[in-house]
Amino acid sequence: AQSVTQLDSHVSVSEGTPVLLRCNYSSSYSPSLFWYVQHPNKGLQLLLKYTSAATLVKGINGFEAEFKKSETSFHLTKPSAHMSDAAEYFCVYSGGYNKLIFGAGTRLAVHP
Amino acid sequence: DGGITQSPKYLFRKEGQNVTLSCEQNLNHDAMYWYRQDPGQGLRLIYYSQIVNDFQKGDIAEGYSVSREKKESFPLTVTSAQKNPTAFYLCASSTGREVYSNQPQHFGDGTRLSIL
Repeated sequence: AQSVTQLDSHVSVSEGTPVLLRCNYSSSYSPSLFWYVQHPNKGLQLLLKYTSAATLVKGINGFEAEFKKSETSFHLTKPSAHMSDAAEYFCVYSGGYNKLIFGAGTRLAVHP
Repeated sequence: DGGITQSPKYLFRKEGQNVTLSCEQNLNHDAMYWYRQDPGQGLRLIYYSQIVNDFQKGDIAEGYSVSREKKESFPLTVTSAQKNPTAFYLCASSTGREVYSNQPQHFGDGTRLSIL
C-alpha cells in the first residue's frame, strides 16, 4: 500500500540558515508527489509538485525538492529561512482517483 | 479571483444537532473533497465527488453526509451520529476527473467546528 512518512514532526532553524524537511514515500507506482504549506487557521497552499518530469522541482517562495527514486525520498529544502516560513508542511502522495495521501506534517519554527 | 470559499469560519454544535458546512468554488473544477484535520495528524478524507450528482465515501465517512447538486457547491453535514466532531474541516477541489490524475488540489481556509 502507498504511504508517506515525514521523518520529523518538528524542525527548528534560525533565520537565514538552511531548511531541510524530510519525506519518504512507499509506492509500487510512479508517484506524483506534492509539498503543501499550512499557516495557522488557514487552508493548504501548494508549494511544488513532482510528476515524473525533472527530478529537481522548484516551487514558490524559494523552496525546492528533489525526487530520489533510489531512496524513495522527496525532501524539501530552502537555502535561507525567513520568519514568514514558520508553518506546518505536508508531504503528499497522489494515490490515484484524485485521492491524496498526506504525511502527518512537519512544524517548522524559525527563530530570530 | 478564483478560489474556494468555506463558511462559516467557526461553528458550534450542540448535542444531537446536525450542522452543515458550506463549500463553494468558482474554479470550474470537476472534483471536490472534504477533509478532517486533527492536531498532530495529517488530513483524512471524508467524502469526495468527481462529478455532479455523484460522490464517494472516503476513509472516515461515518457520521457525515454530503450532496453535489451543483458543480460549484459541495456542502458537508456533520450529523449527530458523529460522536467526536471537534476538528478543522477543509474543502478542496481539483481539475482532474481521470483515474490517477496528478493535478494538485486547491484548498479553502477551513471551518473550525466545536461542541458546546
